[in-house]
Amino acid sequence: KNQVEQSPQSLIILEGKNCTLQCNYTVSPFSNLRWYKQDTGRGPVSLTIMTFSENTKSNGRYTATLDADTKQSSLHITASQLSDSASYICVVSAGGSQGNLIFGKGTKLSVKP
Amino acid sequence: SAVISQKPSRDICQRGTSLTIQCQVDSQVTMMFWYRQQPGQSLTLIATANQGSEATYESGFVIDKFPISRPNLTFSTLTVSNMSPEDSSIYLCSVVKGQGAFFGQGTRLTVV
Repeated sequence: KNQVEQSPQSLIILEGKNCTLQCNYTVSPFSNLRWYKQDTGRGPVSLTIMTFSENTKSNGRYTATLDADTKQSSLHITASQLSDSASYICVVSAGGSQGNLIFGKGTKLSVKP
Repeated sequence: SAVISQKPSRDICQRGTSLTIQCQVDSQVTMMFWYRQQPGQSLTLIATANQGSEATYESGFVIDKFPISRPNLTFSTLTVSNMSPEDSSIYLCSVVKGQGAFFGQGTRLTVV
């Protein structure tokens, strides 16, 4: 069964600190992996997207890594800001149909002053 | 990329009534997707809306409850019919362009 597991479920950090969010997946076939940021009550906004051959991708203070062998990904946030408070969702595309996206439940990040 | 305008952004509705959610995309797309996100949960695909044909519903979702229209390649509506408190969720439309999936701003529905 295709699954995406994220950890931790929630995380509280102080402003300015770094943090790393984890995503493990069992999805086959694998097409790509995406990280999204979802503010409360809003739609998800794409942060990064990585294909099988990509190990790392950065978007400002966000850096995503992908290990296709172990089927793990991480999202590292550097020098966190209050505006980083949101849910971060890992989404794996199983290829084929364009709608074949497997969503993780997300990690709820709270950045405190 | 794609920009999706979704409305309403939120609504509070009485049980037994219906709400229609609209999504407008800034470019033509073959398929549009409708998701539901219940509190604390991940997104669940409701159906895929195809222009010129019936929508394709996922297991657990039926057309009578969630009728969908797709009159052209840039617009779609999802109706939540005969609502009950269990329908309180965020509803999202989405399109895929290139390798990216893009989402509307979401509709936060509360049924009382």
